[in-house]
Parts: sequence; structure tokens; C-alpha cells
Amino acid sequence: EAQVTQNPRYLITVTGKKLTVTCSQNMNHEYMSWYRQDPGLGLRQIYYSMNVEVTDKGDVPEGYKVSRKEKRNFPLILESPSPNQTSLYFCASSPVGEREGSNEQFFGPGTRLTVL
Amino acid sequence: AQSVSQHNHHVILSEAASLELGCNYSYGGTVNLFWYVQYPGQHLQLLLKYFSGDPLVKGIKGFEAEFIKSKFSFNLRKPSVQWSDTAEYFCAVSQYVEYGNKLVFGAGTILRVKS
Repeated sequence: EAQVTQNPRYLITVTGKKLTVTCSQNMNHEYMSWYRQDPGLGLRQIYYSMNVEVTDKGDVPEGYKVSRKEKRNFPLILESPSPNQTSLYFCASSPVGEREGSNEQFFGPGTRLTVL
Repeated sequence: AQSVSQHNHHVILSEAASLELGCNYSYGGTVNLFWYVQYPGQHLQLLLKYFSGDPLVKGIKGFEAEFIKSKFSFNLRKPSVQWSDTAEYFCAVSQYVEYGNKLVFGAGTILRVKS
């Protein structure tokens, strides 16, 4: 089954304790992206990656890191989490199409993170 | 930068009522437009999308949306809602970046359908 998976689905942690949220897709998509969802703000892009070893900042990258060593995986790293990073996080992937911006993104199930 | 605004944050309807959710975007060039739905506890799923051609787009579950270029709008409609349509709805616009696209989302509209 074609899908985007994320782990863990739920995480409660404390300020300053490094954590990684994994994201994996089995659709051979070049493009992957991380979003955070907050009430009243919709989804905001954190980082995206156009292909292996190619990553760039989205709209809200502060406090986050990513890596793309393999095409299928795009982990999100919080080196020193803070309470304002408490949020619902979604990973997404899509192929890179011929027409700019023409591709639907497929979303993972989400990771609910609480930083105390 | 591209921005997307959704007019209502909360909408409450009775079953069989008609639905229209507003969405406006700011970019004046070529756009690709999407509506996503998020059912309680689930991830985002695509309802429908507009790339080009007929500005009236039909999606899944009886939803449709109309692209009006002159108004920078892409409103979502459904003639008769059901209880199972209770969800959060997001309008999104695709913005071209250097090698591909990124989605810019609106803040979302929470729809509650009363049975």
C-alpha cells in the first residue's frame, strides 16, 4: 500500500531533550516536506526536500533540522525542544511533476508532540 | 509571498443543508489550487484540485469547487451535507519554488454537521 508513515504518533518530552520524528514514504517520491499544524494557523511548512541531499527552509524552520540521506526517509530533528514546539506535525511527499506546482502531496498520519 | 485566507473558522450546519466555504489567495500568476479534508484524528486527504481547464472542479464525496480567477477565489461547495462531513477543511495554493512546489495552507475551517 502506497503510504507515508511517521513515528512516533504521540510523544511527550521535556524541554531540551533531543528528539527525532521519522518519516518514510514508499512511493519513490522526490519531494518531501514537514509541516506543523496549530489551531487557527493551518499548516505551516518547516522544511522541504527536493531530493536526496537537497533540503531547504520553509516558513517556520527555527528550532528544527532535517536530513535526506535516502530518498524514502526524511527525519525531523529537534535538537533542544521547547514548549512552543508543542504541535501536530505532518510529513508529506509528492513526485516532482512537469508542471510547476502541479502535484498532490500525500500526508502521513501525524505526530502529536508535547514539550513540557 | 503567497497567502491563503479562509473566511470562516467554524461552521455549524444541520444535515441536508448546503455548504459553501470561502477561500481567497493572494498570488496573481498561475496557480494550482487544492482542498484537503481532515477527519477527526486522521491525516489530511485530498478532496479536489484545480490545475487548468474547466473552473468547476468535482471532487470526492459530492464536493465541488469553483475557481474564479478575477476574484482570486476557490470556494468549496456541497449541495447537501451529511453528518459524516464533520471535519476540518483546508484550502491550499501551490507556490512554485526553485525546483518544485510548496503548498501554502489557509487556517482551516472546522465544519460540524448536526444530525
